[in-house]
Amino acid sequence: NAGVTQTPKFQVLKTGQSMTLQCAQDMNHNSMYWYRQDPGMGLRLIYYSASEGTTDKGEVPNGYNVSRLNKREFSLRLESAAPSQTSVYFCASSELVQGGNEQFFGPGTRLTVL
Amino acid sequence: EDKVVQSPLSLVVHEGDTVTLNCSYEVTNFRSLLWYKQEKKAPTFLFMLTSSGIEKKSGRLSSILDKKELFSILNITATQTGDSAVYLCAVNSWGKLQFGAGTQVVVTP
Repeated sequence: NAGVTQTPKFQVLKTGQSMTLQCAQDMNHNSMYWYRQDPGMGLRLIYYSASEGTTDKGEVPNGYNVSRLNKREFSLRLESAAPSQTSVYFCASSELVQGGNEQFFGPGTRLTVL
Repeated sequence: EDKVVQSPLSLVVHEGDTVTLNCSYEVTNFRSLLWYKQEKKAPTFLFMLTSSGIEKKSGRLSSILDKKELFSILNITATQTGDSAVYLCAVNSWGKLQFGAGTQVVVTP
């Protein structure tokens, strides 16, 4: 099992360009998440999908859109990239278990916006 | 406003020392508290705590939760250089994780 995979691993964009970050999981999890991680700030939730067909905003959704393509795939789109979106992006998935849920993380995408 | 605060932000110890990391929280609808280890890549899961006073152990790492005082500690005994990492605390509320800023631990030989 590959777990959670993300593409690309690295990306450099110019201000105003668009791109889509891809995420897929093979653990048959219902829930998927997108986070960004900036120095000294831990991980912040951008969007999440509790189950196939649903998406909800997290703590920092502005400037992003998501698509839950099917149970396996959850993509994050930047329509018009800004330097403030320079960050490391992590995708995660989980299955809800009693008392909470352990999330499994992908390897991350390091994005630089010039 | 929900918040998760970790302390200290960073520390440097010598191999063999014991490290205690703190995580305090204020969240609505608490379901669980999780600890992750991050070594320049994806966070990897360490523990999930749901009940007060029950210690979880894995080798030299252990953790405990106090739901009355709203905090958790992560202990690492007999530290090794391989323990150098950022340790993240996260609280599950409404099915979502809210992370603290992390504690960077550096273990010197």
